[in-house]
Amino acid sequence: QKEVEQNSGPLSVPEGAIASLNCTYSDRVSQSFFWYRQYSGKSPELIMSIYSNGDKEDGRFTAQLNKASQYVSLLIRDSQPSDSATYLCAVPRVSNTGGFKTIFGAGTRLFVKA
Amino acid sequence: KAGVTQTPRYLIKTRGQQVTLSCSPISGHRSVSWYQQTPGQGLQFLFEYFSETQRNKGNFPGRFSGRQFSNSRSEMNVSTLELGDSALYLCASSPSGGIYGYTFGSGTRLTVV
Repeated sequence: QKEVEQNSGPLSVPEGAIASLNCTYSDRVSQSFFWYRQYSGKSPELIMSIYSNGDKEDGRFTAQLNKASQYVSLLIRDSQPSDSATYLCAVPRVSNTGGFKTIFGAGTRLFVKA
Repeated sequence: KAGVTQTPRYLIKTRGQQVTLSCSPISGHRSVSWYQQTPGQGLQFLFEYFSETQRNKGNFPGRFSGRQFSNSRSEMNVSTLELGDSALYLCASSPSGGIYGYTFGSGTRLTVV
C-alpha cells in the first residue's frame, strides 16, 4: 500500500461543474495535509492546507478531512478551464531524527472542458 | 518578498559526469528540501536541510548529496550521472521543514545523455 494514494485520472469535468479529488493516506498519526496544484511544465504550488476533521473553505476550493477514514478530498466549485492541472495530495512526516519529509501522492490530472 | 531561486533552469550532461544544483530559499526560511520528479515515480524526497544540518534523507544512492550554507542557500550534487537521473529537481523552502507547507522553486530540468 502506498503511503499517499490518489486516483491518477484524468478527471474530466465540464466548465461550471464541481470537481472532486480524493486522497487516502496510510499513517494514522499524520496531523497536517496539503493540496498542491501543478500546471504542466511548472512547479507545484500550495493551494490548501487542512489540519482538523471537517471542511475548510477558501474561495472556490474546499478541503475535507476525515482522520478516522484516513481520507482527504478537495472540491473545486464552478470549475474553470484555468483549473486544468495536476493536483497533488501531500502529507508531511516526522522522522526519528527530528527531520521532516513530505510524502506526495502521484497526483490527479484534472481537465475542465469549456 | 523574493521567491525560491533555483539555478540553473536547464542542464544537459553526459553519463558519468557530475552536476551541482543550487537553491536560494525565501528569506528567513531555514529549511530546504530537495525532491526529484519524474513521470513514472512522481515526487520523491531526496533530503532536508535545516540550519546547515541534514535532518532527513530519502532512499537515493550515495551519488546524491547536498549541503546547506550559513545563509540557508543549499546545493545538491549528483556524481557519476546515469540516464535514469534525468528528471526535474525541485527545491522546497519552508520555515521549519514543510509541516506548514512548502514554497517550491521553478526547478532544474536535468537531462542526462
